[in-house]
Amino acid sequence: EAGVTQSPTHLIKTRGQQVTLRCSPISGHTSVYWYQQALGLGLQFLLWYDEGEERNRGNFPPRFSGRQFPNYSSELNVNALELEDSALYLCASSLLSFARTGELFFGEGSRLTVL
Amino acid sequence: AQRVTQPEKLLSVFKGAPVELKCNYSYSGSPELFWYVQYSRQRLQLLLRHISRESIKGFTADLNKGETSFHLKKPFAQEEDSAMYYCALRVYNQGGKLIFGQGTELSVKP
Repeated sequence: EAGVTQSPTHLIKTRGQQVTLRCSPISGHTSVYWYQQALGLGLQFLLWYDEGEERNRGNFPPRFSGRQFPNYSSELNVNALELEDSALYLCASSLLSFARTGELFFGEGSRLTVL
Repeated sequence: AQRVTQPEKLLSVFKGAPVELKCNYSYSGSPELFWYVQYSRQRLQLLLRHISRESIKGFTADLNKGETSFHLKKPFAQEEDSAMYYCALRVYNQGGKLIFGQGTELSVKP
């Protein structure tokens, strides 16, 4: 069974540009979560999508946005990039029955460098 | 505020020594806690959850509500335990949203 896949794996952008990161969840998973892992800051919760709807967002500015498609894949968009946006962006997915398993399945991440 | 604190960035022990990775949380409701692990060149993955009260790869973790702690323990560390360990708190009524600590790197030396 394929795991959570993310693309691109690495990318370099300059300040002010925009970026789109993509995530395909495990087949059958309806929930997708986005986390930012900046150096020394651990994993910071960004967004949670379920059944195509944004269910929750973390303490990030509005230039961080995303969406979930009917096939449950998801995109994370970051506008007006700033240097501090440089980080590893992790996507995770879960079953609707997360409450029973408590398990998120993570992708390998997209490493964004902003120059 | 909901918060997870892992006070040690790096923990270095010798093979066969006991290990305790500390985790403290701040949460007003009934906590649901997890330990996730990331081995070198692998994805972040679930190690164990407090609800299951299970032992995985020799690791156990007990929820202590009085001390608001969920420390991860193993009596005899192995070299293959070397990894990044993250403690995480699930927020009630927010689906699978997890709040992670900053992580502790465990290094087990031969």
